[in-house]
Amino acid sequence: AQSVTQPDIHITVSEGASLELRCNYSYGATPYLFWYVQSPGQGLQLLLKYFSGDTLVQGIKGFEAEFKRSQSSFNLRKPSGHWSDPAEYFCAVGAEGGSYIPTFGRGTSLIVHP
Amino acid sequence: DGGITQSPKYLFRKEGQNVTLSCEQNLNHDAMYWYRQDPGQGLRLIYYSQIVNDFQKGDIAEGYSVSREKKESFPLTVTSAQKNPTAFYLCASSTGIGELFFGEGSRLTVL
Repeated sequence: AQSVTQPDIHITVSEGASLELRCNYSYGATPYLFWYVQSPGQGLQLLLKYFSGDTLVQGIKGFEAEFKRSQSSFNLRKPSGHWSDPAEYFCAVGAEGGSYIPTFGRGTSLIVHP
Repeated sequence: DGGITQSPKYLFRKEGQNVTLSCEQNLNHDAMYWYRQDPGQGLRLIYYSQIVNDFQKGDIAEGYSVSREKKESFPLTVTSAQKNPTAFYLCASSTGIGELFFGEGSRLTVL
């Protein structure tokens, strides 16, 4: 069964500093990988996704993520944290075939200090 | 604009009452999902449907029921059998592969 681990419950950075949110997945084949962002009381919005090809993917709001098969990781990065970035971030993994039920991590709360 | 509409956004229920949360999509997606979100627990799957007139239980289906009579609609009923229904509920849809598209959520509070 597929699974996703986000080891950090909270991440705190200073505005302007780089940030990285970690995601590790477990799945036998090449997975489909996603990062979503959720503002308080809102639904989830897709930041970026990886299906195949270039392992470094660019997303919205200046975020990027890198797929590393050897480490089973799909970490989210941003070169410079912004005051608008605080939110809950979810990593998810999906797989082709059968019932399509993406699995979500528990989320990482990002805090940006001015 | 295409998207997913959940209603109501806020709902209060007395103990022992059933309530129904609405989810409508105009994205022409085959698959629809209901998730429950509690603080610190991420998203937990309640029910999902991959086609009209068919749906499957997720990880926490007890105390909930759904129907899928139309492609566009996937309502969730929180029954009186659900012992701790206060939560944030999210509906989503997909083509059956790829990303999920989420509604804005419904917050249910039991009084």
